Amino acid sequence: AQSVTQLDSHVSVSEGTPVLLRCNYSSSYSPSLFWYVQHPNKGLQLLLKYTSAATLVKGINGFEAEFKKSETSFHLTKPSAHMSDAAEYFCVVSDTTGFQKLVFGTGTRLLVSP
Amino acid sequence: DARVTQTPRDKVTEMGQEVTMRCQPILGHNTVFWYRQTMMQGLELLAYFRNRAPLDDSGMPKDRFSAEMPDATLATLKIQPSEPRDSAVYFCASGLQGADTQYFGPGTRLTVL
Repeated sequence: AQSVTQLDSHVSVSEGTPVLLRCNYSSSYSPSLFWYVQHPNKGLQLLLKYTSAATLVKGINGFEAEFKKSETSFHLTKPSAHMSDAAEYFCVVSDTTGFQKLVFGTGTRLLVSP
Repeated sequence: DARVTQTPRDKVTEMGQEVTMRCQPILGHNTVFWYRQTMMQGLELLAYFRNRAPLDDSGMPKDRFSAEMPDATLATLKIQPSEPRDSAVYFCASGLQGADTQYFGPGTRLTVL
């Protein structure tokens, strides 16, 4: 069965410093992997998606993620944090049974201080 | 800008009352998902539909929850009777068959007193 593990429940950074949110996945097949962001009292917004076209995936708002099969990781990064990046981030893997179900990680709350 | 819409955005009700939540998927999307989000359990998949037919509702308490798609533009999630433990944010998401990206609505925040 597919699963994802988000290694940090909270990450705190200062504005202007790099962001790293860590995610490891488990999948029997080549997975589709996603990062979603949820701002307070909002729905989930797709940040980026990995299929198999390129291991480095660029998303919205300056975020990117690198798929590393040897490490079974899909970490999310951003060179310089903005205050508006403060939110909950979910790493997600698609269920490969063909029913389009998504398996969500437990989330990482990103805190950005001035 | 196509979006999933959900109504109501907030609902406060008393225990025992019926609650109905509505979702309008993105036009053309034929797969609809219902999720529940709580602090304790995170995001849980309750049910999902493809072409209006329920494919899986194993995540849903059968005795009080029901989900339907009366037509391609409307999905409903009903709780009867509601209980305080149902308090959560309920999200609807839609997607295209064969594509695993899901697009989420803004959610309905339900509080059962």
